[in-house]
Amino acid sequence: EPEVTQTPSHQVTQMGQEVILRCVPISNHLYFYWYRQILGQKVEFLVSFYNNEISEKSEIFDDQFSVERPDGSNFTLKIRSTKLEDSAMYFCASSEGTPNSGNTIYFGEGSWLTVV
Amino acid sequence: GESVGLHLPTLSVQEGDNSIINCAYSNSASDYFIWYKQESGKGPQFIIDIRSNMDKRQGQRVTVLLNKTVKHLSLQIAATQPGDSAVYFCAENILLYIFGTGTRLKVLA
Repeated sequence: EPEVTQTPSHQVTQMGQEVILRCVPISNHLYFYWYRQILGQKVEFLVSFYNNEISEKSEIFDDQFSVERPDGSNFTLKIRSTKLEDSAMYFCASSEGTPNSGNTIYFGEGSWLTVV
Repeated sequence: GESVGLHLPTLSVQEGDNSIINCAYSNSASDYFIWYKQESGKGPQFIIDIRSNMDKRQGQRVTVLLNKTVKHLSLQIAATQPGDSAVYFCAENILLYIFGTGTRLKVLA
């Protein structure tokens, strides 16, 4: 069964450093997403991406964050100048079409980021 | 305001019993609904979906019921097993970018 894959599964970084989280969405999917889940809290939407541009973003997704689709298979989330409060599980997800058209969003297993 | 909400934060059931997890939605324009399961330390996993032109949909040991009149969604798990222990989220396609706190299902041996 096709799945969303993410690397690394766990990363520890020093405060102030830049981090890149990588994702390979399901191959025939066109919409890509990043979500965040701080330990013990609910899943929060960060950004959605379609046709090589951001289609929606939340208040969390400020200038510290950026996304990129550098090639035909990868989708990355870059976090610049990491802060302690950026420590969370980051989930990549993808869907064939938009949720508003009844398409399911499929999630990866997550990348656990710890900022020290 | 609009919300995707769950009635109970924690549900404890005996192994082998049936579980019912409830969800209220408030956006009458939603026409597609999904239940996700999230095990500890893992990503949300698709369980079952239902479109608004249906009242009921069955999967393997799971059934989703949709009551559009009262904007209510439920997930029924038959013969609950220890592996069913997880947090369950509902989502509606108008608000698929937002998840509620979820209901934690605990299966008691």
